[in-house]
Amino acid sequence: DGGITQSPKYLFRKEGQNVTLSCEQNLNHDAMYWYRQDPGQGLRLIYYSQIVNDFQKGDIAEGYSVSREKKESFPLTVTSAQKNPTAFYLCASSDTRGQEQFFGPGTRLTVL
Amino acid sequence: DQQVKQNSPSLSVQEGRISILNCDYTNSMFDYFLWYKKYPAEGPTFLISISSIKDKNEDGRFTVFLNKSAKHLSLHIVPSQPGDSAVYFCAASARGTSYGKLTFGQGTILTVHP
Repeated sequence: DGGITQSPKYLFRKEGQNVTLSCEQNLNHDAMYWYRQDPGQGLRLIYYSQIVNDFQKGDIAEGYSVSREKKESFPLTVTSAQKNPTAFYLCASSDTRGQEQFFGPGTRLTVL
Repeated sequence: DQQVKQNSPSLSVQEGRISILNCDYTNSMFDYFLWYKKYPAEGPTFLISISSIKDKNEDGRFTVFLNKSAKHLSLHIVPSQPGDSAVYFCAASARGTSYGKLTFGQGTILTVHP
């Protein structure tokens, strides 16, 4: 079955620690995206990558970093510089047309 | 600056009736619009989309209408079913200028009562 996997589903970290969220897709999509969802708000774009070894900042990139070394993988690091890291994080991918994005199940990050 | 707005946080409908979810946008460069459905603690799933060259697109019980002059789109679900209860997000993209980027609205919680 083709799809997007995110792990873990729930993640707890202490304040001041960096944490990396995993995202893998086997849809053979070129583009991948990271979003953040907060209660009562829509999805906000953190970073996106249209091709391997290239990525661009989204609307709320501060305090986050990404890498795109493989087509299938787009990990997101939440750094200690991110002021409000507790949120639901969603990864998505799309083909080169970029018209429809497919989402993973999400990771709920809680910083204590 | 909220470029895509869903002004109704919630909507409650009786089973079998029509559900109408609304979305407004401000960016005239948007040329492709999508609706996603999301259950709690899950990722959104694609529902239906419409290109700016059309004013209506239908898929089974779901129909999306686009009014470009009013910068407004709506999703109609007929007939509504309890399983339709979820959060619905509209999203927009400007394929010519920011390829692949989607801008989402805040979402509308739809509750369909049996």
